[in-house]
Amino acid sequence: DIQVTQSPSSLSASVGDRVTITCRASPSITSSLNWYQHKPGTAPKLLIYDASRLQAGVPSRFSASGSGTDFTLTISSLQPEDFATYYCQQTYNPPHSFGQGTKLEIK
Amino acid sequence: QVQLVESGGDVVQSGRPLRLSCAASGFTFSNYGMYWVRQAPGKGLQWVAVISYDGRNKYYEDSVKGRFTISRDNSKNTLYLQLNSLRPDDTAVYYCARDRVGYVWGNGMDVWGRGTTVTVSS
Repeated sequence: DIQVTQSPSSLSASVGDRVTITCRASPSITSSLNWYQHKPGTAPKLLIYDASRLQAGVPSRFSASGSGTDFTLTISSLQPEDFATYYCQQTYNPPHSFGQGTKLEIK
Repeated sequence: QVQLVESGGDVVQSGRPLRLSCAASGFTFSNYGMYWVRQAPGKGLQWVAVISYDGRNKYYEDSVKGRFTISRDNSKNTLYLQLNSLRPDDTAVYYCARDRVGYVWGNGMDVWGRGTTVTVSS
């Protein structure tokens, strides 16, 4: 099975900050990586698919890049509604494993 | 509007069975691969299973293989997850989700339900 490692596990930041979350896959997954945002008590939300493509309706402050084994999600200017947990997920081969999650908290 | 609504979650004893349902509306259910994902208390998201749009192909995460069965009834626009031989570590919120692209899987999950809670007591 493909292993997906996400870092950091938690992150403190302020409104307006730029933040980056990293995901590493082993072995290579080409561009088969997605990013989700999840807030407690709600359904997870797809932000990015195919490593860098913004899902419809997602603000442009979210961007992502990477291919092969190394991927990043960047939020250019944090807004209050962005404080949540973020997950990467590989969909190269089933099982379509998730990373461990990054909890983004207000500093 | 496009919607998924899970039901069937309950408190059950270890070893007992349970069936979860996910009712779809607002889209052509029979065109999409569907998933179950779970989140145990204090833990992250865990992918559980996928079923193809026509129900012919299925895949399971190793820890549920042989115990859980994913199925669908396209005439009823409903996805199911049969949970057998439940263990305390199956305690979680179970979400159903839709593949972003019709007729294939592995493209991200763009529509999610709000989840149903399964609690397994020992």
